[in-house]
Amino acid sequence: SAVISQKPSRDICQRGTSLTIQCQVDSQVTMMFWYRQQPGQSLTLIATANQGSEATYESGFVIDKFPISRPNLTFSTLTVSNMSPEDSSIYLCSVPRGQRAETQYFGPGTRLLVL
Amino acid sequence: GQQVMQIPQYQHVQEGEDFTTYCNSSTTLSNIQWYKQRPGGHPVFLIQLVKSGEVKKQKRLTFQFGEAKKNSSLHITATQTTDVGTYFCAVRAGGTSYGKLTFGQGTILTVHP
Repeated sequence: SAVISQKPSRDICQRGTSLTIQCQVDSQVTMMFWYRQQPGQSLTLIATANQGSEATYESGFVIDKFPISRPNLTFSTLTVSNMSPEDSSIYLCSVPRGQRAETQYFGPGTRLLVL
Repeated sequence: GQQVMQIPQYQHVQEGEDFTTYCNSSTTLSNIQWYKQRPGGHPVFLIQLVKSGEVKKQKRLTFQFGEAKKNSSLHITATQTTDVGTYFCAVRAGGTSYGKLTFGQGTILTVHP
């Protein structure tokens, strides 16, 4: 099983600032996914981060707001830019599990509160 | 992507009672997955179903995939306080979107001792 760590685990930020969330995996993976979970809600995919190429964003999410880096096969960052209270959420990274990559392991999440 | 509707949104049970959550789609699904998220935790994979009419069991948990592959259910027999959490169904995309998951709304289960 993959071990995924995220930093920070939680943060309280002021509106208008930016926060970069790190995701580290203990093995090399081709795809990494970033999800947002708003309070009391389900998970929504923000983007897919592939090493060596631009991240692929889902409808409703844009690179200017959520820039993503993927410098190698074990690491990725998601930045939440120019934050507003509506960005208060749990941000989770995940990686495929198994040889067929059909299911996913999730990181512990970053709990963000924007004041 | 494929959409799935999950019901109920909340379920409160007494310890020892059974619990069921349902996932429904208007289109045929190639697969369905179930995840559990404990309070304050992250989603953890439980099971994947891919075959029409498939039934899988994990101790007190029974997972079913409908014959038409448009619905799925998770049934917990004799709930325990350790079952507390949110249960999500999810569908994995295929083709060029392979690997991406679309989640249902989740069912929040509370168990009263």
